[in-house]
Amino acid sequence: GESVGLHLPTLSVQEGDNSIINCAYSNSASDYFIWYKQESGKGPQFIIDIRSNMDKRQGQRVTVLLNKTVKHLSLQIAATQPGDSAVYFCAENSGGSNYKLTFGKGTLLTVNP
Amino acid sequence: DGGITQSPKYLFRKEGQNVTLSCEQNLNHDAMYWYRQDPGQGLRLIYYSQIVNDFQKGDIAEGYSVSREKKESFPLTVTSAQKNPTAFYLCAGSGTGGHQPQHFGDGTRLSIL
Repeated sequence: GESVGLHLPTLSVQEGDNSIINCAYSNSASDYFIWYKQESGKGPQFIIDIRSNMDKRQGQRVTVLLNKTVKHLSLQIAATQPGDSAVYFCAENSGGSNYKLTFGKGTLLTVNP
Repeated sequence: DGGITQSPKYLFRKEGQNVTLSCEQNLNHDAMYWYRQDPGQGLRLIYYSQIVNDFQKGDIAEGYSVSREKKESFPLTVTSAQKNPTAFYLCAGSGTGGHQPQHFGDGTRLSIL
């Protein structure tokens, strides 16, 4: 498959555990954030987004937390499954742009059965 | 199936040749984007288009060209002026008017023979 990230931060968890993936963003003027999942050889898949007027947003098995004070974003995955194994990366709308996103380099999540 | 369709999946270029990567969408997205992904790096924006017959340079536009003659199509040409074209190229689309996530195709891997 396609190698989309070498020398990435890695997180290894056991199946059924909860996973927390962290991201530090760069621009204090950014007001929209997105988490993507990318499997080997595929394009990034939208997971969840959050606007800066919120601190927390929940989806199915996923929760995103936003701490604007320290410019930190996290993605929590509940009851992690082998199918969750992928590279996860965050994106911020560059300084408030409606079009331009700045992407993090990603974290490789490996789920052990 | 609906979505962003990129073709071909793999593409090979000889030195000095231009090649064109296809991106088609049936999601009625006004905005479309081209990114380049290299190992260990975040996605970098090449070009984007907010509307038909209009496009703007991204962060790494040198050696690339685009057109947007139809809403559904946003082809990317990698010219011979691009000195390091080997990469994974991703096309995305999004709605306009406020913060909306970008949705990606499954990419084209370009390699130099």
